[in-house]
Amino acid sequence: GAVVSQHPSRVICKSGTSVKIECRSLDFQATTMFWYRQFPKQSLMLMATSNEGSKATYEQGVEKDKFLINHASLTLSTLTVTSAHPEDSSFYICSAKPGLAGRETQYFGPGTRLLVL
Amino acid sequence: GNSVTQMEGPVTLSEEAFLTINCTYTATGYPSLFWYVQYPGEGLQLLLKATKADDKGSNKGFEATYRKETTSFHLEKGSVQVSDSAVYFCALSGGNTGTASKLTFGTGTRLQVTL
Repeated sequence: GAVVSQHPSRVICKSGTSVKIECRSLDFQATTMFWYRQFPKQSLMLMATSNEGSKATYEQGVEKDKFLINHASLTLSTLTVTSAHPEDSSFYICSAKPGLAGRETQYFGPGTRLLVL
Repeated sequence: GNSVTQMEGPVTLSEEAFLTINCTYTATGYPSLFWYVQYPGEGLQLLLKATKADDKGSNKGFEATYRKETTSFHLEKGSVQVSDSAVYFCALSGGNTGTASKLTFGTGTRLQVTL
């Protein structure tokens, strides 16, 4: 089946630094990628939708200047948490939709756990 | 807006027991409904889905029926195995307030199956 990877799987950083998380579709081209955030014992919350070659669409309440998303190729999207603070600590998950797949098909990465000290 | 409510876990069962994980939803229009499963260390995988009322999704012995009258999509399996231990997420997409690609998730229910 389709595989999506994320790197790193976990990261610890100091407050004020920026952290980049990569999401790659390994065996298919993804025209659309999604970024989710999950707090403990809570559901996945969609943060933004990115289409290759265009600006990401952010959900209400998500700061686009804080969570920079780049979808520069059909197999790679990056999420950069800028000037991270402890409240940004969370589990970040990406998903990718193949270009030729139905509208509801998404393949998920294993997630990245971010801890900001 | 759309929302999904699923039972809190963890759910602990003995092998071969019957499983039910409740899921109810709020949405206008006609959303599609999904169950995703997340095994330890892996990404979410689509387990089954149903796209219209009274449809039954099934896969790997799991079933769920789209009940519009009760706005529910409960997950069931007649005989669970240790290998079914995972976190299960109910989700929906579409309806009148969202695009078909935008998923709304429940909080997830952890299932632990013991010998």
